[in-house]
Amino acid sequence: DGGITQSPKYLFRKEGQNVTLSCEQNLNHDAMYWYRQDPGQGLRLIYYSQIVNDFQKGDIAEGYSVSREKKESFPLTVTSAQKNPTAFYLCASNDGGNQPQHFGDGTRLSIL
Amino acid sequence: ILNVEQSPQSLHVQEGDSTNFTCSFPSSNFYALHWYRWETAKSPEALFVMTLNGDEKKKGRISATLNTKEGYSYLYIKGSQPEDSATYLCAYFKTGANNLFFGTGTRLTVIP
Repeated sequence: DGGITQSPKYLFRKEGQNVTLSCEQNLNHDAMYWYRQDPGQGLRLIYYSQIVNDFQKGDIAEGYSVSREKKESFPLTVTSAQKNPTAFYLCASNDGGNQPQHFGDGTRLSIL
Repeated sequence: ILNVEQSPQSLHVQEGDSTNFTCSFPSSNFYALHWYRWETAKSPEALFVMTLNGDEKKKGRISATLNTKEGYSYLYIKGSQPEDSATYLCAYFKTGANNLFFGTGTRLTVIP
């Protein structure tokens, strides 16, 4: 079945450590997105990519980095510069623009 | 960052009751309004994408209306069932943008 796979489901980060969250899609979508969810807040956009080898910052990009070397993959790295990384992270994809987004199951990141 | 508001934040209804909730968004530069359903332990799934003022969409017992001039959309659920229990998210897509702006969601619990 076509869909989006995020891994791992749970991730723990030590102080000063970079961690990478995986997002893979087999929907042949051009656009991919990373969101962060905190309690009491809506999904906030971290980064998005409309096409391979191109990506743009969202509203809360500081402390994060991404790459888009392949159409199906859009990994998110949470760097040590992100001082409050504890959150739930969702990856999504679509055919771009106003098309409905398809979401993964999310990764919950916590600090050790 | 755009202000997309949803109300109420949460509500409990009895099985069989009909219910509705609201999404408010900026009326300027409107392009589209999305509704998503997010069940616990699952990924969000798209319900509707609405673009025209006065638009009404229906999917089974769930329907939505759109007023772009005053900047609101209503989601209605007729004869609520326990399986309707979920968080319902709306998201605004503005002209010239490449991404969605999400509200904080309405968490619906249907009591058997």
